[in-house]
Amino acid sequence: GEDVEQSLFLSVREGDSSVINCTYTDSSSTYLYWYKQEPGAGLQLLTYIFSNMDMKQDQRLTVLLNKKDKHLSLRIADTQTGDSAIYFCAESSTGYSTLTFGKGTMLLVSP
Amino acid sequence: DVKVTQSSRYLVKRTGEKVFLECVQDMDHENMFWYRQDPGLGLRLIYFSYDVKMKEKGDIPEGYSVSREKKERFSLILESASTNQTSMYLCASSYLAGGAGELFFGEGSRLTVL
Repeated sequence: GEDVEQSLFLSVREGDSSVINCTYTDSSSTYLYWYKQEPGAGLQLLTYIFSNMDMKQDQRLTVLLNKKDKHLSLRIADTQTGDSAIYFCAESSTGYSTLTFGKGTMLLVSP
Repeated sequence: DVKVTQSSRYLVKRTGEKVFLECVQDMDHENMFWYRQDPGLGLRLIYFSYDVKMKEKGDIPEGYSVSREKKERFSLILESASTNQTSMYLCASSYLAGGAGELFFGEGSRLTVL
């Protein structure tokens, strides 16, 4: 079945850039998502990218997609302590398929 | 503001008890989902529903059942709770089918089975 892999932990200093990486195995993936989970809360959609795109920018967030290598990354510029959270990569293909989530990357931002 | 509400944030139950986890969404979404979240394992899909009275098994349905009598309500049922079902349970809903649209999550129900 489909698999989504991401590193479990990342630690950065406030003001630095953070890069969270994700790889997936399903070559028919059409939608790729980044969700954020703050402590004690559910997940919220942060951003998404369609498989026919290779980059998407949204304020401090940049998503890069390398479809050939099935590699997705999320870059957070000028990381703030409020960005400390768990970030989940997820993918799905078209139709009635459900999302496949990675295990989540815990981002810790220190002052 | 769109909302997915899970009725209980924290529950403590005993082994063998029947447990109901309720989820209500106010967005008129067709699709609803139940996940469990465990450290190091991420989110795993238990059951989902694309319509009233319709249900589909996810990746880990064993030991669980669901009920969707009304569009806005999706309940997860543990017929006989076991300690390995101690976990965080997350309900979600979406407008578009499957992965084609944003999932809206509730805040989670943390279940401890003693």
